[in-house]
Amino acid sequence: KQEVTQIPAALSVPEGENLVLNCSFTDSAIYNLQWFRQDPGKGLTSLLLIQSSQREQTSGRLNASLDKSSGRSTLYIAASQPGDSATYLCAVKANQAGTALIFGKGTTLSVSS
Amino acid sequence: NAGVTQTPKFRILKIGQSMTLQCTQDMNHNYMYWYRQDPGMGLKLIYYSVGAGITDKGEVPNGYNVSRSTTEDFPLRLELAAPSQTSVYFCASSPGGGNQPQHFGDGTRLSIL
Repeated sequence: KQEVTQIPAALSVPEGENLVLNCSFTDSAIYNLQWFRQDPGKGLTSLLLIQSSQREQTSGRLNASLDKSSGRSTLYIAASQPGDSATYLCAVKANQAGTALIFGKGTTLSVSS
Repeated sequence: NAGVTQTPKFRILKIGQSMTLQCTQDMNHNYMYWYRQDPGMGLKLIYYSVGAGITDKGEVPNGYNVSRSTTEDFPLRLELAAPSQTSVYFCASSPGGGNQPQHFGDGTRLSIL
């Protein structure tokens, strides 16, 4: 059974710092991996989606990498800002069919000014 | 630009009552999903649908029912509410399977007392 783990559970950094969030998964046979952002009381916003054949994806200050063989992904946030404060969720998709994403528990990030 | 809309946003139920959580999307997406998120946990799939008239169980379907009579709507029914169903419920949609990201609503916060 696929399990997704995110470390750390919480992270506090000062504004301007570069940071890395970690995601690991137990079954390397994934179809894709997504990173989401969740603000308090809100739904999830998709940040980046990495296909199984890709190594990384970038959007603005965000860069996500994928190493399928080791079952790891990282989300790199450059020059963090207070507006980046949120919970970041990692999720993997097992196959091409329309079945669910398997989510980690998330990393709650707090960026102080 | 509504996206995925969930109603109600909050609800308190008594044990044994029933209710329907509404979900509608205006993006003409074929695939729709219901997840639940318990405090400090990742999201878990309850039910999903790959098109009107087609539904299937996810990881935690017990105590819930769904129907999909139109492309736009995917209601979730709780027949006999139990305290274990206290959770935040998220509806999501995607154009199809494959590498298409899921779009989430803002959630329904349900407490059963």
